[in-house]
Amino acid sequence: AQTVTQSQPEMSVQEAETVTLSCTYDTSESNYYLFWYKQPPSRQMILVIRQEAYKQQNATENRFSVNFQKAAKSFSLKISDSQLGDTAMYFCAFMNQISNFGNEKLTFGTGTRLTIIP
Amino acid sequence: IAGITQAPTSQILAAGRRMTLRCTQDMRHNAMYWYRQDLGLGLRLIHYSNTAGTTGKGEVPDGYSVSRANTDDFPLTLASAVPSQTSVYFCASSVRQTGYEQYFGPGTRLTVT
Repeated sequence: AQTVTQSQPEMSVQEAETVTLSCTYDTSESNYYLFWYKQPPSRQMILVIRQEAYKQQNATENRFSVNFQKAAKSFSLKISDSQLGDTAMYFCAFMNQISNFGNEKLTFGTGTRLTIIP
Repeated sequence: IAGITQAPTSQILAAGRRMTLRCTQDMRHNAMYWYRQDLGLGLRLIHYSNTAGTTGKGEVPDGYSVSRANTDDFPLTLASAVPSQTSVYFCASSVRQTGYEQYFGPGTRLTVT
């Protein structure tokens, strides 16, 4: 079974600074997907960024980027120029390669609570 | 409706009572999921459905049942609620064409007393 580990339960950073959230995972698969989800106080789960394991290039979405190290099974999220609206719980999630559609279950880490300080 | 809706938003339930959490999506997604979120544990999959008429068990299925009579609805039933089922419940859906991204509903906070 896959496991996802987020070793930083809480982090805080000053507004406009850069912060990196760590995530490691364990799998014997070679093809899979990795995700970062954001959960603000509203409780809504919002997809931040996605990485396909077969792609060597790190995914980027505006101020959000990842450092995907496949051999090390590491998938960290970097938030640049942090904003107050980035305050949220962040979850790393793993999904196996789709062999039978509908079985693409997400395995989540325990989350990192990020606070942006004004 | 736009996306996924869940009802109720929150509920306090006496132990032993039966409860159905509702989930409806209007995106015509084939796959749907139920997760529970507990502090320090992240989200864990309860049940899922590949398509209407089929369901499967996730990581923590005990005490829960689901049905998928049509594409849009995926209710989750607690036959006899217990305090350990106190949690926030999220429904999600996905489709191949969006790269398997799962879209989540707003969640239901359930307290079993």
